[in-house]
Amino acid sequence: NAGVTQTPKFQVLKTGQSMTLQCAQDMNHNSMYWYRQDPGMGLRLIYYSASEGTTDKGEVPNGYNVSRLNKREFSLRLESAAPSQTSVYFCASSEGGHTGTQYFGPGTRLTVL
Amino acid sequence: GENVEQHPSTLSVQEGDSAVIKCTYSDSASNYFPWYKQELGKRPQLIIDIRSNVGEKKDQRIAVTLNKTAKHFSLHITETQPEDSAVYFCAASRGTYKYIFGTGTRLKVLA
Repeated sequence: NAGVTQTPKFQVLKTGQSMTLQCAQDMNHNSMYWYRQDPGMGLRLIYYSASEGTTDKGEVPNGYNVSRLNKREFSLRLESAAPSQTSVYFCASSEGGHTGTQYFGPGTRLTVL
Repeated sequence: GENVEQHPSTLSVQEGDSAVIKCTYSDSASNYFPWYKQELGKRPQLIIDIRSNVGEKKDQRIAVTLNKTAKHFSLHITETQPEDSAVYFCAASRGTYKYIFGTGTRLKVLA
């Protein structure tokens, strides 16, 4: 099992460019999440999908959109990148319900110039 | 809004000593409290968790305690080793979909 995988590992964008971060899990988990990690601020939830077919906003959704493509895949899109979106992005998944534990992917380091 | 405060932000201990990291949460309905360890350049990984119906949980050198009345929980690492050096994050969750993370503690174990 690969667990949670993310592509790409690194990306540099210019202000105004768009891109999609991809996430997939092979653990048959129901719930998936996107976080951003900035120095001194911990992990902040951008969007989550409690189950296939549903998505909801987290703490910091502005400037992002998500798609739960199927049970395995959950993508994060930046339509018009801004320097404030320079961060490390982590995808995570969990069984959902009351089982709790979230498993994280390896992260994508994004720089917006 | 919901908030989790974590202290200290940095902690240095001598190898073999104990380390304690404390978190306070604001949402009294929180019922699940995981702790993650993140090594430099790596993903966060769960090291221990506790649910609100339990006061303490141990796993070898790691323990977590929960005080629901005071709304705080703590991570205790005994007999620290250099490989314990990392950033540790606490989180609180009502149900399991939305974690609120603390801002992290950078633990340095000095050999």
